[in-house]
Amino acid sequence: ETGVTQTPRHLVMGMTNKKSLKCEQHLGHNAMYWYKQSAKKPLELMFVYNFKEQTENNSVPSRFSPECPNSSHLFLHLHTLQPEDSALYLCATTTEQGRFNEQFFGPGTRLTVL
Amino acid sequence: AQKITQTQPGMFVQEKEAVTLDCTYDTSDQSYGLFWYKQPSSGEMIFLIYQGSYDEQNATEGRYSLNFQKARKSTNLVISASQLGDSAMYFCAMCSFVAGGTSYGKLTFGQGTILTVHP
Repeated sequence: ETGVTQTPRHLVMGMTNKKSLKCEQHLGHNAMYWYKQSAKKPLELMFVYNFKEQTENNSVPSRFSPECPNSSHLFLHLHTLQPEDSALYLCATTTEQGRFNEQFFGPGTRLTVL
Repeated sequence: AQKITQTQPGMFVQEKEAVTLDCTYDTSDQSYGLFWYKQPSSGEMIFLIYQGSYDEQNATEGRYSLNFQKARKSTNLVISASQLGDSAMYFCAMCSFVAGGTSYGKLTFGQGTILTVHP
């Protein structure tokens, strides 16, 4: 069983749709992250959760709404997105925020907003 | 603020040869960590190697090694004996430790270098 899974792997949505991205980790980690990877741009950190509490919101527009119901699951709720939000959305986890442990990434969700 | 710079958009190497991917960073923090990740076309980010700012020796992990030059703020990745499966995007990243701050666990990424290994 892979450590970090993300569903769906691909998503196409209109600007008026509401959808959710899901991340699930089986590593027992307590910190989870959402990153956005746009074409020809570095990965951008969006949100950080540590022990289910949001500890970082990197000036992300409110049309992105994260949710962390438990230490194994992380969601990104999407509504009224814009075409420029089309990107690869990556979830990552690590054992403890603040340590130099490597972050383990999921395979990502490729989002296209029409 | 932290910044990672990867000046090589693309690199080519012959199979079985070594290749060096460049990375420079900018930070005012004294304690930080430097990472390299590999991203194949499947999209998943795969951790390769880590170097701490206070590590005196260059990190090595199998065919991967770092040429860490702290004074120059560079941490170049060396891949020895390249394989066709090494073809991917490679990202350099850093994480700073700021006492009492909020940058714990936050990775700042460079723009990446696409490595192509030719048979």
